[in-house]
Amino acid sequence: QSVLTQPPSVSGAPGQRVTMSCTGSSPNIGASSDVHWYQQLPGKAPKLLIFGNTNRPSGVPDRFSGSKSGTSASLAITGLQAEDEADYYCQSYDSSLSASVFGGGTKLTVL
Amino acid sequence: EVQLVESGGGLVQPGGSLRISCVASGFIFSDYYMTWVRQAPGKGLEWVGRSANKGDNYITNYAASVKGRFTISRDASGNSLHLLMNSLKIEDTAVYYCVRENWYYYQYWGQGTLVTVSP
Repeated sequence: QSVLTQPPSVSGAPGQRVTMSCTGSSPNIGASSDVHWYQQLPGKAPKLLIFGNTNRPSGVPDRFSGSKSGTSASLAITGLQAEDEADYYCQSYDSSLSASVFGGGTKLTVL
Repeated sequence: EVQLVESGGGLVQPGGSLRISCVASGFIFSDYYMTWVRQAPGKGLEWVGRSANKGDNYITNYAASVKGRFTISRDASGNSLHLLMNSLKIEDTAVYYCVRENWYYYQYWGQGTLVTVSP
């Protein structure tokens, strides 16, 4: 059971917009801890996608965007492409655990 | 270019020990917090622990699941991060990633090294 909750799967057709959620609680996202997102392609190491809730590292397309409100955060992908098919993880810091925590991951399928 | 290369993974029996390492290049190693993250087969990501930077005296923190069994250390002279794992359990089986941290997010990842705990 992960501290941060993500839907197991989402799907969308090429060109569409999809969103995925990350729900936490008061010791983590609700305590103003930043949320970060990672993309993991099959058989590869995770890659930083969004940091500090809304910021994209250099090289990440602006089709990817993040938001945060209250105890939840969301990742949106517009103009869905086949190469976006991957697992996506959210991550934050939990002050009660004094530890970094991840969501269980969301598998994105491009139909 | 930042590079992180892990090594030392392998097969170990339950109750055994193993040390895995990570060689860093392309940045000033002592300036950064370094973290280990693991991923059990077919499962999600799990934070294992971290080593602070030189300015914060290389203080270490660990996840509850490994505290007292795992130890993170750095080479005093080199650019290497180590994870010594004792009293290994079957549930420690995972790919272990070495990660460069930046303000609690994980900017650069190694390719991972597989640790298998099995009788």
